[in-house]
Amino acid sequence: EVQLVESGGGSVQPGGSLRLSCAASGFTFSSHEMSWVRQAPGKGLECVSYISSSGGTIYYADSVKGRFTISRDNAENSLFLQMNSLRGEDSAVYYCVREGLGFGDPLDYWGQGTLVTVSS
Amino acid sequence: QSVLTQPPSASGTPGQRVTISCSGSGSNIGNNYVYWYQQVPETAPKLLFYSRDQRPSGVPDRFSGSKSGTSASLAISGLQSEDEADYYCATWDDRLRIWVFGGGTRLTVL
Repeated sequence: EVQLVESGGGSVQPGGSLRLSCAASGFTFSSHEMSWVRQAPGKGLECVSYISSSGGTIYYADSVKGRFTISRDNAENSLFLQMNSLRGEDSAVYYCVREGLGFGDPLDYWGQGTLVTVSS
Repeated sequence: QSVLTQPPSASGTPGQRVTISCSGSGSNIGNNYVYWYQQVPETAPKLLFYSRDQRPSGVPDRFSGSKSGTSASLAISGLQSEDEADYYCATWDDRLRIWVFGGGTRLTVL
C-alpha cells in the first residue's frame, strides 16, 4: 500500500523557518517524481515545488522561489521541504504528492498533509 | 489567483448530470493532459479522472472528462449526495514549469 506521511509542521513566527519531511513507503520511491502542494485555509491548491526522481531537476513556484528548498533522500525514501523567511501567506496544509510513472500520469497519491501556521 | 479558471460553484439534483469547466492556456491545458480531483473538506484530494480516459480503481464511470483546445470539463452523471465536494482541475504548465490547479468548484447536491 502506498503511504506518504508528512511531518514537521507547526506554528512559527514570520521570518522563521521550518523543515517538512515526508516518509514514503509501499512503492519504489527512487523511481517517482515528487511535489509539495499546499492549501491555505479555505483556499485552493498550489504546487510550491517539484523534484525529479534523481533530484537533478527542481522547480519552484514564484511565490516561494529563493525561500524554500526541496530535496530528497532516495536511500531513506524521504522527501523534504526547507522553508525559510516564512510569511503569513505561507500558512497552509502542505501535502507530499507522488507523480505516476507513465507518460502523462498525474499526481496520483497524496499524504494526509501537515499544517503550517505563520503568525506572530 | 489560480492559473486555471473554474466556476466557484455548481449544483444539481440527485440523478442529474452536471459539468464543471476548466479554462487555461496553450502552455498548460493546450499542451498537456488534464486531471481532476475530488476533495471532501478536511481530507486530501483524491484523483478522479486522468489522461487517456482513465479512472483510478474504485472511481465510478459516472465521472468522465474531456478536453478541447485550452479548455477541459468534468462531467458527473447520475448525481448522488455523496458527490457533494470540491472539485479541482490540474495540469502541468510548460512555461511556469510547475503543476497548476484551478481554483476549485464546490458542488452542491440539492
